[in-house]
Amino acid sequence: GENVEQHPSTLSVQEGDSAVIKCTYSDSASNYFPWYKQELGKRPQLIIDIRSNVGEKKDQRIAVTLNKTAKHFSLHITETQPEDSAVYFCAASIFQGGKLIFGQGTELSVKP
Amino acid sequence: GAVVSQHPSWVICKSGTSVKIECRSLDFQATTMFWYRQFPKQSLMLMATSNEGSKATYEQGVEKDKFLINHASLTLSTLTVTSAHPEDSSFYICSARGMDTGELFFGEGSRLTVL
Repeated sequence: GENVEQHPSTLSVQEGDSAVIKCTYSDSASNYFPWYKQELGKRPQLIIDIRSNVGEKKDQRIAVTLNKTAKHFSLHITETQPEDSAVYFCAASIFQGGKLIFGQGTELSVKP
Repeated sequence: GAVVSQHPSWVICKSGTSVKIECRSLDFQATTMFWYRQFPKQSLMLMATSNEGSKATYEQGVEKDKFLINHASLTLSTLTVTSAHPEDSSFYICSARGMDTGELFFGEGSRLTVL
C-alpha cells in the first residue's frame, strides 16, 4: 500500500523567513497530493493541493511543487507569520476524494 | 462551504463500555466517509472507508469487531468503539466525500478518553 514520508518533523523559523516541508510517496498510482494545516485539537484544514498533471501550484504565500518521477512533493511558505505556526501534513491519494494516506506531520513554529 | 459535524466532540467513558461517535454531512450527501484515528502528536491514521449501504472496508491492523462502522444513510456514518480500553483513547476524525464535487470535508473530531 501507499506510504508517505514527511520531513522535517519540526521546523522553527524566524518571522518573514521561508519554510519548506518535503514529502515522498511510494505508490506510483497516486495522483492527488493535498496539504493540510492542523491547529491543536482542531480538524485539518486544506491549504493547497496539486494533481499529478501539474508540476507547481501557487496561492499567495503558499506553493507546492511535485516531481512525479522522483515521487517527491514539497510545500513552500514564504514570508512566514506567527499565525502560520501549526502542524502541517502532506497526504497522497489515487484521486481527489479517495482515501488519504498522511505523512507524519511537521510542527512549524514561526518566531516573531 | 460544506459542513461535516461530529458528535460528541469529547467523551469520557469507563473501561469496558462502548462509545458511539456520529459523523454527519449537514448540507450535502456523502456516499463515502472515512474514519481516522490520531494519537497525540502523531499523524492521522486511516481506520476504514465507509460506503453508504454496504460494509465498511477496514485498513490492515484495524479490528472490525472492535470498531463497528455503520453508514446507514447518505448523511450519517457512525463509529462504535466496543469494549473500550485506555489504549483506545484518541482523537477520532471523519471525513466525507461530496457526491457532486468529490471534495473531502473533515469533521471537527471527537476526543475519546477511556478511564
